[in-house]
Amino acid sequence: DTAVSQTPKYLVTQMGNDKSIKCEQNLGHDTMYWYKQDSKKFLKIMFSYNNKELIINETVPNRFSPKSPDKAHLNLHINSLELGDSAVYFCASSQVTGFAGELFFGEGSRLTVL
Amino acid sequence: GENVEQHPSTLSVQEGDSAVIKCTYSDSASNYFPWYKQELGKGPQLIIDIRSNVGEKKDQRIAVTLNKTAKHFSLHITETQPEDSAVYFCAASRDFGNEKLTFGTGTRLTIIP
Repeated sequence: DTAVSQTPKYLVTQMGNDKSIKCEQNLGHDTMYWYKQDSKKFLKIMFSYNNKELIINETVPNRFSPKSPDKAHLNLHINSLELGDSAVYFCASSQVTGFAGELFFGEGSRLTVL
Repeated sequence: GENVEQHPSTLSVQEGDSAVIKCTYSDSASNYFPWYKQELGKGPQLIIDIRSNVGEKKDQRIAVTLNKTAKHFSLHITETQPEDSAVYFCAASRDFGNEKLTFGTGTRLTIIP
């Protein structure tokens, strides 16, 4: 059983479109995150949620809207896609609130905007 | 905010030799320092972490050292094997509240058979 699963794994779309990436964790963790990894492999936090509540919004454009229907799911919806949104998006979860514990990452969703 | 610098960006070592990756951080209040390994096509995975109340931690072939005065910490991999080839990330955070984890820029380690 995959602990943190993301779908889709690959996403190719045109500029201006809207797309969603789904994430589910079966670890029973309270906290979930979205990270963006650019072409240079730099990992940057986008959002963190604790038990469905937004904890961190790291100055992400409001075209990005996370939604957490329950503490096991954190989806990412992106409106009006731009070329610069091309990246690998990672979902992660942790048992502890805050960042002093292990993060469990999904395998990533590679978004390519043409 | 926290700034984490990581060196080198790429590192190639012969199989069986040791590899060392170094990181410096800027926030003197940071006290949690994990290291993540990212294999091709996978998400990062925690391999070892250290908190500021210890100076060194070992787990089989990997070890991490921390110098709080100088604000730097290092990952040491001994007796490297081909499966150690990956991108390694250091990170730092304060370990209370909702402080964010700041990652270094990554080191691509290649083990030459």
